[in-house]
Amino acid sequence: DVKVTQSSRYLVKRTGEKVFLECVQDMDHENMFWYRQDPGLGLRLIYFSYDVKMKEKGDIPEGYSVSREKKERFSLILESASTNQTSMYLCASSLPTTNEKLFFGSGTQLSVL
Amino acid sequence: QKEVEQNSGPLSVPEGAIASLNCTYSDRVSQSFFWYRQYSGKSPELIMSIYSNGDKEDGRFTAQLNKASQYVSLLIRDSQPSDSATYLCAAPTTGNQFYFGTGTSLTVIP
Repeated sequence: DVKVTQSSRYLVKRTGEKVFLECVQDMDHENMFWYRQDPGLGLRLIYFSYDVKMKEKGDIPEGYSVSREKKERFSLILESASTNQTSMYLCASSLPTTNEKLFFGSGTQLSVL
Repeated sequence: QKEVEQNSGPLSVPEGAIASLNCTYSDRVSQSFFWYRQYSGKSPELIMSIYSNGDKEDGRFTAQLNKASQYVSLLIRDSQPSDSATYLCAAPTTGNQFYFGTGTSLTVIP
């Protein structure tokens, strides 16, 4: 069974902290994505990676960075967490062709106090 | 215009009725479309995909794609209380970036 694993289901951090959200997939997928989901705003793309060490900005990259050192792992980094980054973060992966669906992790609910 | 837009909802239908969910898209997306269902507190799960103009049926679900109008819809026949969820329309751009609509919340009333 295919799997996308996010390291934490719930996370509480303080403003100014550096936060790492980890995502690992076991399907040998080239594409990996980070979204945040907020009520009324749907899923918004933060960053996208189509290969190791490759990344592209999505719609809302400000305040975030990413790292993809290995094909199976895609990390989202909040350099200095702020309260407006309190959200549900979803990681997803897919094969590189455009007709391929996304597989989602179970999500990380991050609260920044 | 956003890449994918869902403007309807929330939607309430009685059990057994047909629920109709709609989505429009821009020229920036490719011609593949996906409907995801998301239960509260859970991650999205794929229920239908459609790539060609016309209708595609899978059990109680029918996806409809109209490329001329840039419109994709999802019909749920014989709606059940277990269908109560948020439904998300999604499409990739030619650059493989997946974009989602804001979702339509469906409640099926027993």
